[in-house]
Amino acid sequence: DTEVTQTPKHLVMGMTNKKSLKCEQHMGHRAMYWYKQKAKKPPELMFVYSYEKLSINESVPSRFSPECPNSSLLNLHLHALQPEDSALYLCASSAGQGTNEKLFFGSGTQLSVL
Amino acid sequence: EDQVTQSPEALRLQEGESSSLNCSYTVSGLRGLFWYRQDPGKGPEFLFTLYSAGEEKEKERLKATLTKKESFLHITAPKPEDSATYLCAVSGGSNYKLTFGKGTLLTVNP
Repeated sequence: DTEVTQTPKHLVMGMTNKKSLKCEQHMGHRAMYWYKQKAKKPPELMFVYSYEKLSINESVPSRFSPECPNSSLLNLHLHALQPEDSALYLCASSAGQGTNEKLFFGSGTQLSVL
Repeated sequence: EDQVTQSPEALRLQEGESSSLNCSYTVSGLRGLFWYRQDPGKGPEFLFTLYSAGEEKEKERLKATLTKKESFLHITAPKPEDSATYLCAVSGGSNYKLTFGKGTLLTVNP
């Protein structure tokens, strides 16, 4: 199984809502990532978890809150988002956190903030 | 600061018309150069990793090559299903994250 599964595929939320994005992998990978991608732009790193501990936070606003309940799961909790946060949110995993390791990406959650 | 420049931004080919995509990079101490394919509304799909100049890798109609300054993704006799955005990314030096290029949007017409 070489898949990273993300749910939901699409999400529409208001600026006062609270929602969560979920990501799951069963490849035994020890590093998991959240990326944000705007249309026609490359992915931008948001957070990195290594061995279930937050190792990198790219100065992301606190309205985005990551959580890694166990080595297979990664969540991104959303609260009080702004319309400019609308984007494709990608989860990825790699065997380790070394940057010479290939990333396996999920299909993403297309988020629209109204 | 690591930099990755991909060209062209967009490329239209006829089915069977071979061509190449370019990825020029500036990095201190390359650890790896990665090619990904991304379909609209989907996550990037890993294609290749190249580690040192002179290295080549192939997969079906795709062949990736690496020099000290750039990488090429050669597409031989492309088919419409090869239409996608191709992303190049590098890791190196003291940078803890991948640096992505802006991608090349490839369209293959039947």
